[in-house]
Amino acid sequence: AQSVTQLGSHVSVSEGALVLLRCNYSSSVPPYLFWYVQYPNQGLQLLLKYTTGATLVKGINGFEAEFKKSETSFHLTKPSAHMSDAAEYFCAVTKGGNNRLAFGKGNQVVVIP
Amino acid sequence: DTAVSQTPKYLVTQMGNDKSIKCEQNLGHDTMYWYKQDSKKFLKIMFSYNNKELIINETVPNRFSPKSPDKAHLNLHINSLELGDSAVYFCASSQDFSRAEAFFGQGTRLTVV
Repeated sequence: AQSVTQLGSHVSVSEGALVLLRCNYSSSVPPYLFWYVQYPNQGLQLLLKYTTGATLVKGINGFEAEFKKSETSFHLTKPSAHMSDAAEYFCAVTKGGNNRLAFGKGNQVVVIP
Repeated sequence: DTAVSQTPKYLVTQMGNDKSIKCEQNLGHDTMYWYKQDSKKFLKIMFSYNNKELIINETVPNRFSPKSPDKAHLNLHINSLELGDSAVYFCASSQDFSRAEAFFGQGTRLTVV
């Protein structure tokens, strides 16, 4: 079965600093990988996804993630944090062709002015 | 127009009651889901329907019964509510069964007292 590990439930970052959220996955077959963002009292919104092809994936709001098969990782980054980036971020994995998303436990990002 | 809409947004009810949550998507998607997010923000899939047919049924108490009258609607009925059912329930949809990219509703916060 697929699974996702996100370390550090709370992540504090200064405004303008690099945002780095780590995601490691386990999957017996090539995975599809996703990052979702959840703003307070909102549903989940897709930030970006990796299915096949280019391993560096760009998403919305200036976020990007790189699929590294050798490290079984899909870390999310943004060069410069904005106050509006304060939210919960979830990494998710599924087997290619399988629509059962397995989510990590999430990272609560706090942006410090 | 809201792509995936759920009603109600908030639901407070007493133990033992029966309640329903409704979900509609106007994206023309074939596949719909129910996810449960617990108090620690952990998300887990409950059910998935493809063209009105149940395709995923995780280990969920049979007090939970999904119903899909057509492929644009997936309702969740819960009998004999328990305190542990308190959570946020998210409806989602994807284009078809092979596409894991899911679009989420705003969630229904269920509180059982």
